[in-house]
Amino acid sequence: QKEVEQDPGPLSVPEGAIVSLNCTYSNSAFQYFMWYRQYSRKGPELLMYTYSSGNKEDGRFTAQVDKSSKYISLFIRDSQPSDSATYLCASSKDNDMRFGAGTRLTVKP
Amino acid sequence: EAGVVQSPRYKIIEKKQPVAFWCNPISGHNTLYWYLQNLGQGPELLIRYENEEAVDDSQLPKDRFSAERLKGVDSTLKIQPAELGDSAVYLCASSLQAGAGEQFFGPGTRLTVL
Repeated sequence: QKEVEQDPGPLSVPEGAIVSLNCTYSNSAFQYFMWYRQYSRKGPELLMYTYSSGNKEDGRFTAQVDKSSKYISLFIRDSQPSDSATYLCASSKDNDMRFGAGTRLTVKP
Repeated sequence: EAGVVQSPRYKIIEKKQPVAFWCNPISGHNTLYWYLQNLGQGPELLIRYENEEAVDDSQLPKDRFSAERLKGVDSTLKIQPAELGDSAVYLCASSLQAGAGEQFFGPGTRLTVL
């Protein structure tokens, strides 16, 4: 079993929809939780970075961490075609970062 | 500010040939990482450097892979000899310091071994 599990999708939504992306993790020592966005043939780009439990909002994006259930979520409001990419969740302690497999999202105009 | 720079972007070689990848991290970032990303998977750590020192190379296949970061800035990852299963994207990332979760990635080198 991988330390960070993520549904690979693919996920297809119409423009303007609310998108919910989720991950679970198994290592309770993880302290930092990240979401990366990766466009085709590009490197991952840091989207959201949170420490411990709680919510963090940045524009149309909200990251949510529930350490009690080891659950990580990313919500995208008013999704746009430019949001079409693979979204990778990641969890880390110290400098040991583990990634999920990524969820491929397509937002259709 | 320039991001993480990697070269080449693409490399096609025949099996048993050697290959090398180069990475220049963000200026001032002491920690450098090399990751391997297979198609449809998340990045997996190969090696992590703190300045010149390789502090975590437990996942690096040392029989064929080697890496160096001689002056604590640029780094090179080498495979010799390459095998068909090494076809993947090799990503370099850097972070400001140990313990911080924010890693910044380069565009990667896509290796195809024929």
